[in-house]
Amino acid sequence: SAVISQKPSRDICQRGTSLTIQCQVDSQVTMMFWYRQQPGQSLTLIATANQGSEATYESGFVIDKFPISRPNLTFSTLTVSNMSPEDSSIYLCSVEETTDLFYNEQFFGPGTRLTVL
Amino acid sequence: DQQVKQNSPSLSVQEGRISILNCDYTNSMFDYFLWYKKYPAEGPTFLISISSIKDKNEDGRFTVFLNKSAKHLSLHIVPSQPGDSAVYFCAASSQAGTALIFGKGTTLSVSS
Repeated sequence: SAVISQKPSRDICQRGTSLTIQCQVDSQVTMMFWYRQQPGQSLTLIATANQGSEATYESGFVIDKFPISRPNLTFSTLTVSNMSPEDSSIYLCSVEETTDLFYNEQFFGPGTRLTVL
Repeated sequence: DQQVKQNSPSLSVQEGRISILNCDYTNSMFDYFLWYKKYPAEGPTFLISISSIKDKNEDGRFTVFLNKSAKHLSLHIVPSQPGDSAVYFCAASSQAGTALIFGKGTTLSVSS
């Protein structure tokens, strides 16, 4: 499976500032996903990022708040803009790989733990 | 409205015994189900999956059972080991290339 790294692994930020999270994959992948896991909650998809096209955002998430870049097939960034304490979460990127004839598996990075004061 | 539900937030089991983690779903369009394990400070790790054309999939100590009529799946770990202590997430999707819908997770504690 693909090896996925994220930077930073954790950060503490002041409200009103922005943080950019990087996701690097050791192989070329078409589809990358960004998830958020708020304390005590399940993983929630923020957006799907395909190289060469605009990211597709899920309901409740907007580009102005979570701009995403996907400049090539091995890298993506997620920016959390104008942060508030409610943005304190673990942010994870994942990639999709074909491991079965009919289905693709998703593999996750280690996550970025963000605390907003 | 949660489409994937893990109603037990935690489960404690003795080493060597069976661990059974349960998951219910509401969307009949889901046709692929996965279990992930997550240790603190790490991302979720894929464990095992099952498609809707099967009712059982086995991989070593891990077996997933799917009951489509009840919209229920379960993960069995036999025998349980202390290293299995982690948060287990159930996830579902309706087709390849679409997002996974996750449950809230069940924290499994295996004591020696």
